[in-house]
Amino acid sequence: AQSVSQHNHHVILSEAASLELGCNYSYGGTVNLFWYVQYPGQHLQLLLKYFSGDPLVKGIKGFEAEFIKSKFSFNLRKPSVQWSDTAEYFCAVIGYNNNDMRFGAGTRLTVKP
Amino acid sequence: GAVVSQHPSRVICKSGTSVKIECRSLDFQATTMFWYRQFPKKSLMLMATSNEGSKATYEQGVEKDKFLINHASLTLSTLTVTSAHPEDSSFYICSLDSNNEQFFGPGTRLTVL
Repeated sequence: AQSVSQHNHHVILSEAASLELGCNYSYGGTVNLFWYVQYPGQHLQLLLKYFSGDPLVKGIKGFEAEFIKSKFSFNLRKPSVQWSDTAEYFCAVIGYNNNDMRFGAGTRLTVKP
Repeated sequence: GAVVSQHPSRVICKSGTSVKIECRSLDFQATTMFWYRQFPKKSLMLMATSNEGSKATYEQGVEKDKFLINHASLTLSTLTVTSAHPEDSSFYICSLDSNNEQFFGPGTRLTVL
């Protein structure tokens, strides 16, 4: 079964700083990769996803992620964060041959105004 | 994308009682729904896969008799926490799969006193 690890538990940045959140997965086959965001008091929302094609994926709110197959990574980036980006971010993976989504432990991002 | 609702959004119950949580797909017929549990400061944990018209598939370590899942129609899956205990207090989230993308409900916060 696949697994996902997120390296940073809590990241604190100032507004306008650049963001990169790490995500690595382990799975022997083809995967679909996702980043979700959970704002305080709200449910999970999809930021972006990778199924195939261009490994650099652009999502909503200025986020992007790059799939590097050789490194089994799918890091999330944003060039300039805003206070409103304060939230919990989850990386997730679905193996191509099954429907089970596995989540990383999440990274809490705090952006100081 | 699909719209998923959950009811109730919050429930407080006494230890020993049973609680039913509903997950509805409002605009999509879902043969498969998923139930997750989110522990504080931790990621979602897949509890079970709910299959319309058949028995749910439970993840290892999840008690089938404690977390009863019924998926009686293509738009409704229910999770019943039986004989709830304080350690069952958690955030329960359902989702459905559409073309390998997950759509999440808003979650149900269960507090067992």
